[in-house]
Amino acid sequence: SQKIEQNSEALNIQEGKTATLTCNYTNYSPAYLQWYRQDPGRGPVFLLLIRENEKEKRKERLKVTFDTTLKQSLFHITASQPADSATYLCAVLNTNAGKSTFGDGTTLTVKP
Amino acid sequence: GAVVSQHPSRVICKSGTSVKIECRSLDFQATTMFWYRQFPKQSLMLMATSNEGSKATYEQGVEKDKFLINHASLTLSTLTVTSAHPEDSSFYICSAPLGDRGTGEQYFGPGTRLTVT
Repeated sequence: SQKIEQNSEALNIQEGKTATLTCNYTNYSPAYLQWYRQDPGRGPVFLLLIRENEKEKRKERLKVTFDTTLKQSLFHITASQPADSATYLCAVLNTNAGKSTFGDGTTLTVKP
Repeated sequence: GAVVSQHPSRVICKSGTSVKIECRSLDFQATTMFWYRQFPKQSLMLMATSNEGSKATYEQGVEKDKFLINHASLTLSTLTVTSAHPEDSSFYICSAPLGDRGTGEQYFGPGTRLTVT
C-alpha cells in the first residue's frame, strides 16, 4: 500500500543549527512533492514544491532535496530560529486522482 | 499570496444539530476545493473533494449524507456536518489549489474547530 513516513515525530535542536527533516514514501512515483508548515490550531502553509526532475530547491533558509531512487525528500532549515518551531508536513500528489496525501508531520522545536 | 478563509473559526454545538462551515477563496477562483479533518497530533485526512458545478467526491469511509458539501460558486464551498455527534469533534480545514496547477500545491484556510457536546 502507499505510505508516506516522516520518520521523526519530534526534533529538538539549538538555535543557529541546521534542522533536517525526512520524508520517505513507498509505492508512489510522485511527480511532485510538497512541504508545508503548520502551527498549532492553524491550517498548513505551503512552503516549497519540488519536481521529480529537480534534485534540490532552495528558498531563503530552506532547502529541499528529492531523491527518487531512495524515495526520499529531505527538508533543511539553516540557521534555525525559535520562530521556526512548528510541525512540518510533506505531501505527495497522486496525479491520477488529483489529490495529495500527507505525512504525519515532524514537530520541530528550536531552543534559544 | 493566495488567501483562503474559513468561517467560523470555532463552533460549539449540541449533539444532533447541524453545523455549516464556509470556505472561501479570496483572491482567486477555485473550481476544486478539498476538505480535511485533523485529530490532535495526527495528520490531515482528506474527507472529500468539492467540485464547482458537480457533486463532491468523497473518500472511502466518509458518509456523504452526514458531511454535505456544496460548491456554490467559484469562490465558495460549504461543509455541513449533519446530526453532529461528539465523535465529529475535530479540526476541519479546507484548501484550494491555485489555478490549474497539477502540482498538488494547495492553499489552506485557517481551520474550524468543531466541538460537539
